[in-house]
Amino acid sequence: NAGVMQNPRHLVRRRGQEARLRCSPMKGHSHVYWYRQLPEEGLKFMVYLQKENIIDESGMPKERFSAEFPKEGPSILRIQQVVRGDSAAYFCASSRPERETQYFGPGTRLLVL
Amino acid sequence: AQTVTQSQPEMSVQEAETVTLSCTYDTSESNYYLFWYKQPPSRQMILVIRQEAYKQQNATENRFSVNFQKAAKSFSLKISDSQLGDTAMYFCAFMKPLQEYGNKLVFGAGTILRVKS
Repeated sequence: NAGVMQNPRHLVRRRGQEARLRCSPMKGHSHVYWYRQLPEEGLKFMVYLQKENIIDESGMPKERFSAEFPKEGPSILRIQQVVRGDSAAYFCASSRPERETQYFGPGTRLLVL
Repeated sequence: AQTVTQSQPEMSVQEAETVTLSCTYDTSESNYYLFWYKQPPSRQMILVIRQEAYKQQNATENRFSVNFQKAAKSFSLKISDSQLGDTAMYFCAFMKPLQEYGNKLVFGAGTILRVKS
């Protein structure tokens, strides 16, 4: 029973480039959450998606960041024109409908040079 | 807005000893969920234990147990018979009741636990 999968595990980008982070939820899970962990800090909620719908994006920066969870395929967190302050670990979590427990993927470490 | 406070940035414990990590939270909700997650050096987030606020019985998972004091809004984690593999960052997290919008986890800043041999 595969857990939440994220790729890539490590991503290096230069300032101004785009970063695309992928998340495949656990089997049977249709709810996906993205969190960001800045160095030496706790995790901060970014966005909550269900299939083809963004339910809560209250934690997403207003510019450059977007997320999607299409009917087929993984959820994508996209960061356009990355800046050094975007360097962080980005975690995806998934849950079943009507279940509160979220299971996390291994994270993607983004480094912006 | 809900807040979660972990007042101990770092803790250490001898192998086989018992250690308690503190967590307090602030909410006006009467029902909610509380979690402890562990983040070892691999940085993977691992669920340790969960508690439903309407259940008075403290949750237990093997060597891990919680002391849930609803009136005091306190949710401490006790690790018995500490093992070297317990060395990790531990995060306390809060979630409002399941609803159509906003099932997000609110995390504390974390406590680094070091188990010494």
